[in-house]
Amino acid sequence: GAVVSQHPSWVICKSGTSVKIECRSLDFQATTMFWYRQFPKQSLMLMATSNEGSKATYEQGVEKDKFLINHASLTLSTLTVTSAHPEDSSFYICSARDLIGPGNQPQHFGDGTRLSIL
Amino acid sequence: SQELEQSPQSLIVQEGKNLTINCTSSKTLYGLYWYKQKYGEGLIFLMMLQKGGEEKSHEKITAKLDEKKQQSSLHITASQPSHAGIYLCGADQGAQKLVFGQGTRLTINP
Repeated sequence: GAVVSQHPSWVICKSGTSVKIECRSLDFQATTMFWYRQFPKQSLMLMATSNEGSKATYEQGVEKDKFLINHASLTLSTLTVTSAHPEDSSFYICSARDLIGPGNQPQHFGDGTRLSIL
Repeated sequence: SQELEQSPQSLIVQEGKNLTINCTSSKTLYGLYWYKQKYGEGLIFLMMLQKGGEEKSHEKITAKLDEKKQQSSLHITASQPSHAGIYLCGADQGAQKLVFGQGTRLTINP
């Protein structure tokens, strides 16, 4: 089945550092990937839609200059949290769907990245 | 915008007991997904429902989408410790986007 890999799984860094998170579709091509943020004991909040070869689409209230998204290939999207501060600490998770596979495929999720800013 | 309300928010059951989690939508559901999440981990796809009245089962988990397509239920039979986790329902918003319910935290007591 479709597999989405996310790296790293855990990041601890100092305030002001920029952090890059990678999301890869391992056995299918994804023209669109999604980035979510999850606070403790809360549900997933969609941050942005990553579009291969074009600009990402951000949800209302999400700062595009803070959360830079690059989708340079059909299997890789990256989320860069620029000049991260403690309030950016959260669990970030990506998803993608295999649109070419048989039937209507569900979104498959990466294992998430826990970001802790000191 | 569409909103999903899950009930209960948390559930503690004795091992071996049956349980049901509900997901109610503010609008008609055109695609309803159930996922399971363990704390600090990714989401594991369980089932997808699209047609009113549809019912799917996998091992001891059964999910249904009601005829009016505004509510789905997830039923676990003879619960086991491995069923513990957070269950999330998600609905298609168009353009592949999903909106999620707030989740149901399931604890299984031995």
